[in-house]
Amino acid sequence: SQQGEEDPQALSIQEGENATMNCSYKTSINNLQWYRQNSGRGLVHLILIRSNEREKHSGRLRVTLDTSKKSSSLLITASRAADTASYFCATDAGNTDKLIFGTGTRLQVFP
Amino acid sequence: DAGVIQSPRHEVTEMGQEVTLRCKPISGHNSLFWYRQTMMRGLELLIYFNNNVPIDDSGMPEDRFSAKMPNASFSTLKIQPSEPRDSAVYFCATVDQGGYGYTFGSGTRLTVV
Repeated sequence: SQQGEEDPQALSIQEGENATMNCSYKTSINNLQWYRQNSGRGLVHLILIRSNEREKHSGRLRVTLDTSKKSSSLLITASRAADTASYFCATDAGNTDKLIFGTGTRLQVFP
Repeated sequence: DAGVIQSPRHEVTEMGQEVTLRCKPISGHNSLFWYRQTMMRGLELLIYFNNNVPIDDSGMPEDRFSAKMPNASFSTLKIQPSEPRDSAVYFCATVDQGGYGYTFGSGTRLTVV
């Protein structure tokens, strides 16, 4: 079963705009990760945030985590056409390496 | 490093045939995961190995599915007999001891007709 659900399911924006995707999950976690998947390709790891962290940055990516609400958000600033992809959150399942992926957000960035 | 290597990239087979998907993990990554991706169910974890030992196969849909990891350099996922509902993209992913971020292969797109 899926642990996380992303919102929105699909998002279309113009280049230069910011894109925000949200993820909700169900059980306690040790960390939460975000991945990108380009069409026809495997997933690529973007960023990891631990349960004791509230915000993390990596380049144009900003991730927040609210464990009280069991939610996370991914912000992509100054989006580019190359950011067009599906984005997934993933949470660990207890003290294992196992990751459970959310449903994904399809982002379309128009030039 | 060539990354996680999966073969074949595409497989079309007839219902009832045996299908074997292959994965070569990144050297030194001691955990290996098999996922299946469909539009209807998203990414589902089928099974994962740690140090070549199967740890959790609760996601394997039924006995027609089996997976092996005979050594640290190779894993297979077998479906016998295959059915049209097995059509999906199958991904292999690996992670090292630190567990920070999976590396995915490019996937095998399986079509069972």
